[in-house]
Amino acid sequence: GIQVEQSPPDLILQEGANSTLRCNFSDSVNNLQWFHQNPWGQLINLFYIPSGTKQNGRLSATTVATERYSLLYISSSQTTDSGVYFCAAYNYGGSQGNLIFGKGTKLSVKP
Amino acid sequence: DGGITQSPKYLFRKEGQNVTLSCEQNLNHDAMYWYRQDPGQGLRLIYYSQIVNDFQKGDIAEGYSVSREKKESFPLTVTSAQKNPTAFYLCASSRDRETGETQYFGPGTRLLVL
Repeated sequence: GIQVEQSPPDLILQEGANSTLRCNFSDSVNNLQWFHQNPWGQLINLFYIPSGTKQNGRLSATTVATERYSLLYISSSQTTDSGVYFCAAYNYGGSQGNLIFGKGTKLSVKP
Repeated sequence: DGGITQSPKYLFRKEGQNVTLSCEQNLNHDAMYWYRQDPGQGLRLIYYSQIVNDFQKGDIAEGYSVSREKKESFPLTVTSAQKNPTAFYLCASSRDRETGETQYFGPGTRLLVL
């Protein structure tokens, strides 16, 4: 089945800094999603992005499906951006027809 | 407000006891899911349901059971056969599973063993 790897595992930023989180996946995918888990455990969907680029405020994401990776960009980071960012990939029609999650990138934004 | 609710927020289980976690959604979604999250790890799929009265095992179904009698509800029972149940349990739903559409998550239930 699909393997999903995220890097870096941990990231500490000063407020106002920019960052790039990476997600590599081992096979072609029909669906790629980015989630943010806040310190209380709530998961919020950030992007549904099987290919191309999307932007939402200070966040943007790019998936290059042919090269099997996706990037999440956070600009002008704020303390409320802290938490864990998960990438999840889905390969409909494969033996694992479900979302497969990476282990996440834990982001800490310091004031 | 449309969304997914889970209860309780915290649950304590004694040895040999079965416990049931509640998950309700009012998003009119067909598909529902249960995930388990251990510290420092990603989410792993326990069970999923594409439609009422149908559900399938995920990657780590042993020691768990589910039912889907109503579209809105997908309760998860952690049985005594689950030897390491301490974890954070997340319920999710989506309009459709086949297309892999966006999943929306509830706030989670933390299960602890006494």
